[in-house]
Amino acid sequence: AQSVSQHNHHVILSEAASLELGCNYSYGGTVNLFWYVQYPGQHLQLLLKYFSGDPLVKGIKGFEAEFIKSKFSFNLRKPSVQWSDTAEYFCAVNEDNAGNMLTFGGGTRLMVKP
Amino acid sequence: DAGVTQSPTHLIKTRGQQVTLRCSPKSGHDTVSWYQQALGQGPQFIFQYYEEEERQRGNFPDRFSGHQFPNYSSELNVNALLLGDSALYLCASSLFSVRQDTQYFGPGTRLTVL
Repeated sequence: AQSVSQHNHHVILSEAASLELGCNYSYGGTVNLFWYVQYPGQHLQLLLKYFSGDPLVKGIKGFEAEFIKSKFSFNLRKPSVQWSDTAEYFCAVNEDNAGNMLTFGGGTRLMVKP
Repeated sequence: DAGVTQSPTHLIKTRGQQVTLRCSPKSGHDTVSWYQQALGQGPQFIFQYYEEEERQRGNFPDRFSGHQFPNYSSELNVNALLLGDSALYLCASSLFSVRQDTQYFGPGTRLTVL
């Protein structure tokens, strides 16, 4: 069974710092990749997704992620974080021939200090 | 446009009891997936319903069962509750005909088993 690893469980940054959250998956076939965000008190929301094409994907709120197939990675980046980015971030993977079942990583809790 | 709704918000049960959780999908969606999110972990896929049938199932015991109604709403039933079933239960909806359609998540039901 495939698995998804998010290496950083907790990240603390100051406003305007750059962000990179790591995500690696184990499945060797074709995958679709997602980043979801959960703001305090809110439900999971989609930040961005990759299905095919340009491996650099841009999402909402200035976030982007790069799919590196050779490294089985899909890292999330933002050049300058804001206090409002404080949230928990989840990477998720879907095998291309497995319906739309998502396998999630354990999440990274980001705190941005004003 | 109503999003995914879930009820109840919170629930407290004792070991051995049975529980039913409910989900109404986003307007226009016909597929419902259920996930279990234990504290400090990412969501884990339980199963997915489309056309009132279970289409995919994750690694959960038969104590977990579900149902989908003609109006696309869904129920998750858990029998013989264990302490380890304490978690946030998330419902997600999507459109079956759209390959790899984005899943929209509800706010969840927090189940506590004492």
